[in-house]
Amino acid sequence: DQQVKQNSPSLSVQEGRISILNCDYTNSMFDYFLWYKKYPAEGPTFLISISSIKDKNEDGRFTVFLNKSAKHLSLHIVPSQPGDSAVYFCAASGKTGANNLFFGTGTRLTVIP
Amino acid sequence: NAGVTQTPKFQVLKTGQSMTLQCAQDMNHNSMYWYRQDPGMGLRLIYYSASEGTTDKGEVPNGYNVSRLNKREFSLRLESAAPSQTSVYFCASSPGGLGNTIYFGEGSWLTVV
Repeated sequence: DQQVKQNSPSLSVQEGRISILNCDYTNSMFDYFLWYKKYPAEGPTFLISISSIKDKNEDGRFTVFLNKSAKHLSLHIVPSQPGDSAVYFCAASGKTGANNLFFGTGTRLTVIP
Repeated sequence: NAGVTQTPKFQVLKTGQSMTLQCAQDMNHNSMYWYRQDPGMGLRLIYYSASEGTTDKGEVPNGYNVSRLNKREFSLRLESAAPSQTSVYFCASSPGGLGNTIYFGEGSWLTVV
């Protein structure tokens, strides 16, 4: 059963506009959330993270928002650039002692020049 | 600046053959992981090693074995390959502990015919 869900398999956005990628989770024990970016034929690379004690974390053009009551997080990219075109994975970990990540199925972002 | 290095990058196996995927990290990380990525499934944890000398099963361990050879190296073995094990395999490492970021290798493409 998928504990981390990304319900949009793909998203297309015009260059310069905002990209919003969404992620939902079911396990209330998750307390650390990450976004990874993946280009074809490469491994996922870490993008940004947020702890459950925060509701927002910003790093340059990337902002992650966390709504714990809704068990929902989102990644905002502003402004979107063609180089942002990739698959984005949401991931979560929690107080399980296993210190591993649970991943969503990914959203393919295409930024149109 | 190697990070996480895994070999081989590509491999074709016949059903029933065995092989070992090798992984090494040079970041002095305590924890290491093996994930597989399949279309529409995101990344799923096969096995992990929280620290040198320990290994534990993840979500999809059946058909695999692992060895944490030392702090740097974590290998994944397929004893009798099956077509269902056709996938992209990612090795990863992290400093360990809760709320930590996992860093991935570039992936190994395995096809079992």
